[in-house]
Amino acid sequence: QSALTQPPSVSAAPGQRVTISCSGSSSNIGNNYVSWYQQFPGIAPRLLIYDNDKRPSEIPDRFSGSKSGTSATLGISGLQTGDEADYFCGTWDISLSGLVFGGGTKLTVL
Amino acid sequence: QVHVVESGGGVVQPGRSLTLSCVASGFKFSSYAMHWVRQAPGKGLEWVALVSFAGTNKHYADSVKGRLTISRDNSRNTLFLQMDSLRPEDTAMYYCARGDYDSMDGWGNGTAVTVSS
Repeated sequence: QSALTQPPSVSAAPGQRVTISCSGSSSNIGNNYVSWYQQFPGIAPRLLIYDNDKRPSEIPDRFSGSKSGTSATLGISGLQTGDEADYFCGTWDISLSGLVFGGGTKLTVL
Repeated sequence: QVHVVESGGGVVQPGRSLTLSCVASGFKFSSYAMHWVRQAPGKGLEWVALVSFAGTNKHYADSVKGRLTISRDNSRNTLFLQMDSLRPEDTAMYYCARGDYDSMDGWGNGTAVTVSS
């Protein structure tokens, strides 16, 4: 069981906006930065969001991140079929003295 | 551009050892912390270990503590994962990644490890 909780799946139509939640605790999300990763089948993950809401330069602004208390959210607007992938949240856990990931969310663009 | 390439994976019997390597290029290796992350077939990401930029601080997931050892050689831009007393549940794709303590911004393509008799 993951230290961070994500919905197993989300879906939305092309062009719409979707959000993916990531719930944790005071030992992880509540006191550390959250990052988000995108992974296509058979391909290594890539960083989408770091420090809660910052995007690497190569990531389009359709992707956004936010954090409130012990939860974080990834937002994807203007959905494209090419966004279909698995999305993972991650952060440092003070109690475990290690990094933890959410179980992952599969995005389907209908 | 961050470029990391893992190697050393393969099929190994339970209880045996294996050493993974990760060669980095395109950035100043000695200035960054490095992670190992694994992914069992059909499963999510599992963080394995982290080593600080100088190699002095190391952190491990509870599931691997005492069996897997992370290390680095900054003179060779290389990260290692010594894997001892391997178990079937260690079967996974192992990724090397550059990052901070709470994120990873450069991932390799991974090297596959299968633990089976």
